[in-house]
Amino acid sequence: DTGVSQNPRHKITKRGQNVTFRCDPISEHNRLYWYRQTLGQGPEFLTYFQNEAQLEKSRLLSDRFSAERPKGSFSTLEIQRTEQGDSAMYLCASSPAIGNEQYFGPGTRLTVT
Amino acid sequence: GENVEQHPSTLSVQEGDSAVIKCTYSDSASNYFPWYKQELGKRPQLIIDIRSNVGEKKDQRIAVTLNKTAKHFSLHITETQPEDSAVYFCAAVYGGATNKLIFGTGTLLAVQP
Repeated sequence: DTGVSQNPRHKITKRGQNVTFRCDPISEHNRLYWYRQTLGQGPEFLTYFQNEAQLEKSRLLSDRFSAERPKGSFSTLEIQRTEQGDSAMYLCASSPAIGNEQYFGPGTRLTVT
Repeated sequence: GENVEQHPSTLSVQEGDSAVIKCTYSDSASNYFPWYKQELGKRPQLIIDIRSNVGEKKDQRIAVTLNKTAKHFSLHITETQPEDSAVYFCAAVYGGATNKLIFGTGTLLAVQP
């Protein structure tokens, strides 16, 4: 499968725990995005990487959230001290250097109990 | 501000009829407008897109139109089939080089056989 992949697909955690999600973009896509989607809503932008550089972060991304893309390939999104309000689908998308198309992964569904 | 409005929120049509979903955007600098189809529990799938230098684009049974002056764009699906049933999201690019997508709130399309 040459599409965007994400792991894990589902994560259930207790409030206060830390969680980390991984995204593997389409090969040679240097642009990578994280979005969050809650039930009945469209995806909301969280952060953007061009290669390994994090160039934009949304105000939605509190200081409990951190994202990395250390070698310009896969990316991780970590949430520290999770809260029930963090429960959502976390989607990753990648885009080539030329062109606007963004291709989404299957998402990681986070449930905070 | 960054805003995309989408109407209607739900749409029910008979198989074979046409379906139209409309969106408006707020930033006159937006120049790329994709449409995504999302089936229950699945990733958003890019189905068609249009750039601001084009007024209309068609791909088999789906078409998108863009009115830059009015900041409106629409998705048209002809000869609907039950497998077209899904949630459809429009989006607009904001943020210059970032190309982050701002999504509408989605339209649940139900095609009745």
